[in-house]
Amino acid sequence: DGGITQSPKYLFRKEGQNVTLSCEQNLNHDAMYWYRQDPGQGLRLIYYSQIVNDFQKGDIAEGYSVSREKKESFPLTVTSAQKNPTAFYLCASSLARGSGGYTFGSGTRLTVV
Amino acid sequence: KQEVTQIPAALSVPEGENLVLNCSFTDSAIYNLQWFRQDPGKGLTSLLLIQSSQREQTSGRLNASLDKSSGRSTLYIAASQPGDSATYLCAVKKSSGDKLTFGTGTRLAVRP
Repeated sequence: DGGITQSPKYLFRKEGQNVTLSCEQNLNHDAMYWYRQDPGQGLRLIYYSQIVNDFQKGDIAEGYSVSREKKESFPLTVTSAQKNPTAFYLCASSLARGSGGYTFGSGTRLTVV
Repeated sequence: KQEVTQIPAALSVPEGENLVLNCSFTDSAIYNLQWFRQDPGKGLTSLLLIQSSQREQTSGRLNASLDKSSGRSTLYIAASQPGDSATYLCAVKKSSGDKLTFGTGTRLAVRP
């Protein structure tokens, strides 16, 4: 079955560490997205990519970095510059053009220890 | 800038009741609207996708309507069940290649 796989499900980060969250899709979708979700707040867009080797900043990109070397993969690195990284991170994909909707992964919960 | 509002923020109903969740958006020039369900600690599951040219979509006990001119969509859940308890989110897309703008969700609890 086609879908999006996020790993790990839970991740713990020490102060000053960079950590990378994985997102892989086999839906043949062109576009991929990273969102952050905090309690009581809506989803906020971190980065998105509509084609391989290209990506754009979303609303809250500071302290994060991404790469898009393969169509299927869109990893997110939470750098030490992100001062409040504890949150639930969601990856999504869609066709870059057309009437299709978004498909989401199951999320990664990141906690700073 | 598109803003999406969902009212109420939380709702508790007894099992078997029919209910309506509301979603409003400030810019009526949308491409499509998508309703999602999110269980605690989980990702989002797509429920219904309505294109701008459509008035409604149905899937089982769920029916979503769209009124672009008034900037509103409703999600109707018939004969609610405890398994329907979750947070429901709506999101709109402005154009074919644009990103989704999400509402903050309605947290639904269906009491047995």
